Amino acid sequence: GNSVTQMEGPVTLSEEAFLTINCTYTATGYPSLFWYVQYPGEGLQLLLKATKADDKGSNKGFEATYRKETTSFHLEKGSVQVSDSAVYFCALNGGFKTIFGAGTRLFVKA
Amino acid sequence: DTAVSQTPKYLVTQMGNDKSIKCEQNLGHDTMYWYKQDSKKFLKIMFSYNNKELIINETVPNRFSPKSPDKAHLNLHINSLELGDSAVYFCASSQRSDTGENGYTFGSGTRLTVV
Repeated sequence: GNSVTQMEGPVTLSEEAFLTINCTYTATGYPSLFWYVQYPGEGLQLLLKATKADDKGSNKGFEATYRKETTSFHLEKGSVQVSDSAVYFCALNGGFKTIFGAGTRLFVKA
Repeated sequence: DTAVSQTPKYLVTQMGNDKSIKCEQNLGHDTMYWYKQDSKKFLKIMFSYNNKELIINETVPNRFSPKSPDKAHLNLHINSLELGDSAVYFCASSQRSDTGENGYTFGSGTRLTVV
């Protein structure tokens, strides 16, 4: 079946550092891939998405590229801010339901 | 204008009680979902309705019963609550159920604590 694996956290960075959160997936067919962000006490928000191979999703300085050859969708940001502290979820949808990774907690220190 | 709203936000109840969580979306989406998030933040789908029709029913105890009176509402009723039901329950909606390429809009969650 479909599955998503993302790097365990927590990830702790200083402000303005470069961020990478790794995500790999297993799926049949051609799923759509997503990153969601969850701030404390809130629901998940869609951060970015990519629907086919080599697509790059981007939003608020975050980027991720759909790599079919490595079955990966790593999240990157060039310069993180304290306000980026949250839990980040990689997810895939192969039709009818979205499967989420376990989440990676990010702490950004001033 | 809240897109997906859940009530209540917090629910504390005793073992054995029956409780309901309500969800409403004003986005005009066709499909709605219930997810359970455990204490380690792991998210698991429970149910999905497309235009009032049940399309996903994962391995969930039959004490949990979803109801969708119309495509803008999806409620979750839980009978005989157990300690292990304590979690955050999220409602979500999406434009279409079959391709999934538009992503979901989530509510802010209902934190259920069973004591």
